[in-house]
Amino acid sequence: GAGVSQSPSNKVTEKGKDVELRCDPISGHTALYWYRQSLGQGLEFLIYFQGNSAPDKSGLPSDRFSAERTGGSVSTLTIQRTQQEDSAVYLCASSSLEETQYFGPGTRLLVL
Amino acid sequence: DQQVKQNSPSLSVQEGRISILNCDYTNSMFDYFLWYKKYPAEGPTFLISISSIKDKNEDGRFTVFLNKSAKHLSLHIVPSQPGDSAVYFCAARDAGNMLTFGGGTRLMVKP
Repeated sequence: GAGVSQSPSNKVTEKGKDVELRCDPISGHTALYWYRQSLGQGLEFLIYFQGNSAPDKSGLPSDRFSAERTGGSVSTLTIQRTQQEDSAVYLCASSSLEETQYFGPGTRLLVL
Repeated sequence: DQQVKQNSPSLSVQEGRISILNCDYTNSMFDYFLWYKKYPAEGPTFLISISSIKDKNEDGRFTVFLNKSAKHLSLHIVPSQPGDSAVYFCAARDAGNMLTFGGGTRLMVKP
């Protein structure tokens, strides 16, 4: 079936505004991950959902960041009161248990 | 402290020659290693992987070698093609299926 999809593909916002980023994982994948790639940097883990378990939020950089996953499928990453340092590519990945993670195309966020 | 490191930020190779990308890790609990390739404006795509119980895995032009005692793995691409030009990320997986990524190496294959 289709791969991981993310929307929007690009988002420009003003400092202080809230943004929501969406991820549609591969159908049937129980695990969903959010990563961030800042300019010139590697992939930074943010949050991990596995089935109905409590999410692993250990990578979230501040309490302005939150994520939810409704019905074990679609996930939304919310950044409140955005700052310029939040500018990055936000990547979502999904996998079956113990299997390879497959990534979406990412959302490029620019905070002015 | 970075648990997965790719010490070469960039690598330039002539078309047809071998490309060797290196990756070092510190956590001996990692049980699976993966390489991802990333083109600009796209998400990373899975390339090849290797279990910690093996020392080599080959898939076409791509071979990954694992040296557990040295906590080192490498990706060999031979022969290199211009379409291989991309950023390559090494990733290590722990028992919880969490991936830790290296910083990436930008490979440029010149025609």
